Amino acid sequence: AQTVTQSQPEMSVQEAETVTLSCTYDTSESNYYLFWYKQPPSRQMILVIRQEAYKQQNATENRFSVNFQKAAKSFSLKISDSQLGDTAMYFCAFMTPNTGNQFYFGTGTSLTVIP
Amino acid sequence: DTAVSQTPKYLVTQMGNDKSIKCEQNLGHDTMYWYKQDSKKFLKIMFSYNNKELIINETVPNRFSPKSPDKAHLNLHINSLELGDSAVYFCASSHMHEQYFGPGTRLTVT
Repeated sequence: AQTVTQSQPEMSVQEAETVTLSCTYDTSESNYYLFWYKQPPSRQMILVIRQEAYKQQNATENRFSVNFQKAAKSFSLKISDSQLGDTAMYFCAFMTPNTGNQFYFGTGTSLTVIP
Repeated sequence: DTAVSQTPKYLVTQMGNDKSIKCEQNLGHDTMYWYKQDSKKFLKIMFSYNNKELIINETVPNRFSPKSPDKAHLNLHINSLELGDSAVYFCASSHMHEQYFGPGTRLTVT
C-alpha cells in the first residue's frame, strides 16, 4: 500500500526562526517523486518543492529545503527564516509513475508563524 | 493566464439536486484529477483521467461521475446531492511528475 504519514497535525514557529515538518511514506516502488504543497487560508494548493527519489542531493527552493532519507523513507521540510506568509497547511505527497501517475497525500500539518 | 481553472468557486445547493463543476487546464497536461477536501482538510483522490483511461477511487459513490469532453477539460457531475458531499473539490492536472491544482470549489449542501 502507498501511504504518507505526517505525524504533526499542528506546529508553530516564531517569525525568523527555522522549523522542520516531518513526513514519512511507504511504497514498494523504486521510482517515485516527492512533494511538499502549501495551502494558505486562500485554499489554493501551491507546490513548494519537489524531489526525485533517484537523486541523492536534497532539493532546495530559497528558504525551503528538504531532508530526504530514502532508506528511512523520510522526507522532511525545513523552512528557514520563517515569515508570516508561511502560515498555512502543508501537505507531503508522493507520486509513482508506475501506478498511473497517482499522487498520495498525507493528512497535513498546520503551521502557524507567530509574529 | 490561469493554468487550472474551476467554475464555480462557490456552490450552494439543496439536498437531492444535481450539480456540475467544470475544470479546464491550459497547460497541455496529459492527466487530470478530482480531489475532495473535507472539513478536516483531508485530501482524498476521487478520480484520475489519463489518455481516456479513468481510474476511480473505489470509495467514491457512483453519484459522482467525471466527464472529459477533451484533453483540457474534466468536469465533475454529482447526482442526488447529500449533506455529506459538502466539501471543497479540487481539480488538478499533471505532466512530467508535477501536479498543479485549480483554486477549488466550495460546495455547500443544505
